[in-house]
Amino acid sequence: DTGVSQDPRHKITKRGQNVTFRCDPISEHNRLYWYRQTLGQGPEFLTYFQNEAQLEKSRLLSDRFSAERPKGSFSTLEIQRTEQGDSAMYLCASSLGWSGKQFFGPGTRLTVL
Amino acid sequence: ILNVEQSPQSLHVQEGDSTNFTCSFPSSNFYALHWYRWETAKSPEALFVMTLNGDEKKKGRISATLNTKEGYSYLYIKGSQPEDSATYLCAFWNTGNQFYFGTGTSLTVIP
Repeated sequence: DTGVSQDPRHKITKRGQNVTFRCDPISEHNRLYWYRQTLGQGPEFLTYFQNEAQLEKSRLLSDRFSAERPKGSFSTLEIQRTEQGDSAMYLCASSLGWSGKQFFGPGTRLTVL
Repeated sequence: ILNVEQSPQSLHVQEGDSTNFTCSFPSSNFYALHWYRWETAKSPEALFVMTLNGDEKKKGRISATLNTKEGYSYLYIKGSQPEDSATYLCAFWNTGNQFYFGTGTSLTVIP
């Protein structure tokens, strides 16, 4: 257990539905990252926050994806109008400072039918 | 998108063998390099954070070296054990606020 938790661990949804995932980072970590991982690939960066500010968002991220970290603590990742191509493992990580060691949560596995 | 490559993509070794793999990254604007171990059904776990050219880090039987001028890092495992079976990821940070993970090297240690 790294101290980073994610909820839910698994989500099955039908195409077109909206889904929301939650990440609770290690409390003193100011940076929070979201990644997507598909089979055979390394984690693909989606977005990251420093405290409550979203500093960067991947160009690969469509407008259907949005993330928030309202009080600089937990974060949510929402996917609207899910597509089958969104099926993946969604990982959250947190760190203390830029380029600090990242601590990953267990991930949320999304399956879009 | 930065080009961070890991080789080989996968590796099978016998228990007791030593092995190594490579992470290649752009040599310009280097800031930091991380190595992570990702076991099946678990979260990636940080092994090393390396920031200086010539850095060598060691954790038990696993060690890593860094050459920022030529843009590569090696991860070594001495006397591989079945519990070392995992995917080993490197992640590269540059001074321009960009970072990317490689696709990983999948290691299987055969008892």
